[in-house]
Amino acid sequence: NAGVTQTPKFQVLKTGQSMTLQCAQDMNHNSMYWYRQDPGMGLRLIYYSASEGTTDKGEVPNGYNVSRLNKREFSLRLESAAPSQTSVYFCASSVYRGNTEAFFGQGTRLTVV
Amino acid sequence: DQQVKQNSPSLSVQEGRISILNCDYTNSMFDYFLWYKKYPAEGPTFLISISSIKDKNEDGRFTVFLNKSAKHLSLHIVPSQPGDSAVYFCALMNYGGSQGNLIFGKGTKLSVKP
Repeated sequence: NAGVTQTPKFQVLKTGQSMTLQCAQDMNHNSMYWYRQDPGMGLRLIYYSASEGTTDKGEVPNGYNVSRLNKREFSLRLESAAPSQTSVYFCASSVYRGNTEAFFGQGTRLTVV
Repeated sequence: DQQVKQNSPSLSVQEGRISILNCDYTNSMFDYFLWYKKYPAEGPTFLISISSIKDKNEDGRFTVFLNKSAKHLSLHIVPSQPGDSAVYFCALMNYGGSQGNLIFGKGTKLSVKP
């Protein structure tokens, strides 16, 4: 089983460039999430989608946009990348929001220079 | 303010001994508590959880203890093995409430030495 798949695994961007991080899950989960992990900061929620057709801001949404394309896919877009967005990004999914267990992808390591 | 605190950034334990990882929280509305394990270059994986109606949950070598009055959560690993070396995150939620998303601590890096 693939679980949660993120692409790309690595990316280097120049300041001001844009890009979209892709995430897909094959577990028929309703809820999906984007987190970022910075050294010494744990995982912080950027955006989430409780169900298909809905998206909401998390703890650190500034500089990002998301799209819940369908039940399987949830993308994260950086419109104008900044060095402060250098981080490791994780997509996750759960059966529904408030479900106890979330499953994570392998992460995307993004560097903005 | 941090709602979830893991005050020990790192912990080193000898193989075969007990590892105890701690987590403190401030919001008494949290009612579900989880531990995730993370290896380098991988995503976090779920390890064990406990609801607020219990004070202990055991799964093989892993036991989670919850002290609601102290707002304290701990993970015990007995016996510790070198393969347990990873970063451990506690994650909390208010099931069905306003915080239906997981809120993570900053993690504790466990090193188990052979």
